[in-house]
Amino acid sequence: GAGVSQSPSNKVTEKGKDVELRCDPISGHTALYWYRQSLGQGLEFLIYFQGNSAPDKSGLPSDRFSAERTGGSVSTLTIQRTQQEDSAVYLCASSLVRGARGSGANVLTFGAGSRLTVL
Amino acid sequence: GQQLNQSPQSMFIQEGEDVSMNCTSSSIFNTWLWYKQDPGEGPVLLIALYKAGELTSNGRLTAQFGITRKDSFLNISASIPSDVGIYFCAGKISSGSARQLTFGSGTQLTVLP
Repeated sequence: GAGVSQSPSNKVTEKGKDVELRCDPISGHTALYWYRQSLGQGLEFLIYFQGNSAPDKSGLPSDRFSAERTGGSVSTLTIQRTQQEDSAVYLCASSLVRGARGSGANVLTFGAGSRLTVL
Repeated sequence: GQQLNQSPQSMFIQEGEDVSMNCTSSSIFNTWLWYKQDPGEGPVLLIALYKAGELTSNGRLTAQFGITRKDSFLNISASIPSDVGIYFCAGKISSGSARQLTFGSGTQLTVLP
């Protein structure tokens, strides 16, 4: 698509429930990222996918968080047994990886985010 | 890991005034990026800087890649109401993937009529 699409845009859930957040990156972008933005905070890196390589999961805060990327395109971020501190905006971004400096390679394009509220 | 200090955290200015915000790093960066986030939206790239000393403009926005490669600033001239939002800097220390991007904590800009 023309941009990065995320769904749902808003999700309210009860503590202890599982949630799935979806990201559809820009067509042709091989790199996909998930970030978390808590209220009034900067962007916290969660996970990074690049092509067929093993994902970089170093930013995931706990084993309740996991993500998949199927067919090198759509990604799903899953949070199990949600806690109130999981409430945040979850942002997905995609980018090209290879290209001449200044060509836009490695520059992230973000989706509008999924706002998660855990009651 | 790398530390990015972005300041100020928030600014309240009158419409028409100029604005300046900056980021400093504990590490040398090869790339500096400036993003703006409107309420309810994801961050959108404003300016990308790839070379120390580089000064780049985008309309009323001007950003510079510091000579020391440890800092960058963003200036907005003649502010207008639609400039309201959160401005983020981001830096990268290598020519690798954007995985190495580090984001500042953001500057919340409010423009008063």
